[in-house]
Amino acid sequence: AQKITQTQPGMFVQEKEAVTLDCTYDTSDPSYGLFWYKQPSSGEMIFLIYQGSYDQQNATEGRYSLNFQKARKSANLVISASQLGDSAMYFCAMREGDGGFKTIFGAGTRLFVKA
Amino acid sequence: AAGVIQSPRHLIKEKRETATLKCYPIPRHDTVYWYQQGPGQDPQFLISFYEKMQSDKGSIPDRFSAQQFSDYHSELNMSSLELGDSALYFCASRRLAGGTRGTQYFGPGTRLLVL
Repeated sequence: AQKITQTQPGMFVQEKEAVTLDCTYDTSDPSYGLFWYKQPSSGEMIFLIYQGSYDQQNATEGRYSLNFQKARKSANLVISASQLGDSAMYFCAMREGDGGFKTIFGAGTRLFVKA
Repeated sequence: AAGVIQSPRHLIKEKRETATLKCYPIPRHDTVYWYQQGPGQDPQFLISFYEKMQSDKGSIPDRFSAQQFSDYHSELNMSSLELGDSALYFCASRRLAGGTRGTQYFGPGTRLLVL
């Protein structure tokens, strides 16, 4: 069965520094997609970055990059140059199969950016 | 760019009442997902539709039903509401056939409070 694990309930980072949010996953399907979402206190779920299991390169989107280590089944999110507005809950999620539908989420990591 | 639209944004109901949540996907998106997020919890997958047919089912109670209509909008019908149904309900949409690399985009959510 597929599973997502985020072991950091909360993280602190100094403004302008980089931070890594951990995510490990478990699946027996060779084809899957990994996502990171940001949920600020207002509640909306904001898509950040996507990594396909067959992608050769790590995904990057602006200040966000995904450190994808397939053999270790990890998909850590790296946020560079943290900003106060990055303070939020961050969820790692996975969907199995190219045409898969069910998406499961990890428990989330709450990030606090200090001025 | 157009986003996923959900209505209503807030809803207050009494126990044992019914509620209907609506979701309007991003134009040309053919897949709709419903999630339930309880307070302090990660989103739980409820159900998904692809081309107006149910494609996958998660932890959706029997008291809930959903469908996707010919214009691709979807409705989640909730009956015999219980206090535990109080949550944030997200709809997400995705274009399965290429394009966005499988990314699903979330709507702003409907916050349901059952009294």
